Amino acid sequence: EVQLVQSGAEVKKPGESLKISCKGSGYTFTTYWIGWVRQMPGKGLEWMGIIYPGDSDTRYSPSFQGQVTISADKSISTAYLQWSSLKASDTAMYYCARLSYGSGYSMDVWGQGTTVTISS
Amino acid sequence: EVVLTQSPGTLSLSPGERATLSCRASQSVNSIYLGWYQQKPGQAPRLLIYGASSRATGIPDRFSGSGSGTDFTLTISRLEPEDFAVYYCQHYSSSLGTFGQGTKVEIK
Repeated sequence: EVQLVQSGAEVKKPGESLKISCKGSGYTFTTYWIGWVRQMPGKGLEWMGIIYPGDSDTRYSPSFQGQVTISADKSISTAYLQWSSLKASDTAMYYCARLSYGSGYSMDVWGQGTTVTISS
Repeated sequence: EVVLTQSPGTLSLSPGERATLSCRASQSVNSIYLGWYQQKPGQAPRLLIYGASSRATGIPDRFSGSGSGTDFTLTISRLEPEDFAVYYCQHYSSSLGTFGQGTKVEIK
């Protein structure tokens, strides 16, 4: 079964750092782009950026460039999303998803989501 | 950057009725890269339609997509109770994706 499993919920303080993960299984992890999507409380979906685990080629949405870092470790089939200094406005649900080139780069497999809460 | 505008914001319908959701792009887009997703409360989104009109694996045939250029439509032919949810269109181009703001289909 193809799946993406994300790390658990996080509660952090403003200014702290954080790295959340997304582990793929059931397919060749290195040959599909992985994307990250933000969903703030009660709001819609926002595209953050994508990474190709095969060579770590990374592309960011202009809104998120410089705000987060996307990385991957292909040896353990895991992609990451990290912050160096969290803000209250980073409070959201974060999803990873696989982009399928056979489906027009739509997101055909999704992780279960990681809730990030930033509060002093 | 392509901006996707969905309408209406909320659609109030009864089970068994037909739902028609619109997604309009700010410029002409390649329909190969246009998808539709369903999201239920507390769940991750699920891919329904890719390439504007192809159903994803396991999606019932009451869901259909159409359109080209700047205007795209998701149609649910007969609403089932499990179809009441939020629907998003999404486009991918040059390694950048964008989502519409969503249409909520609620029970009337």
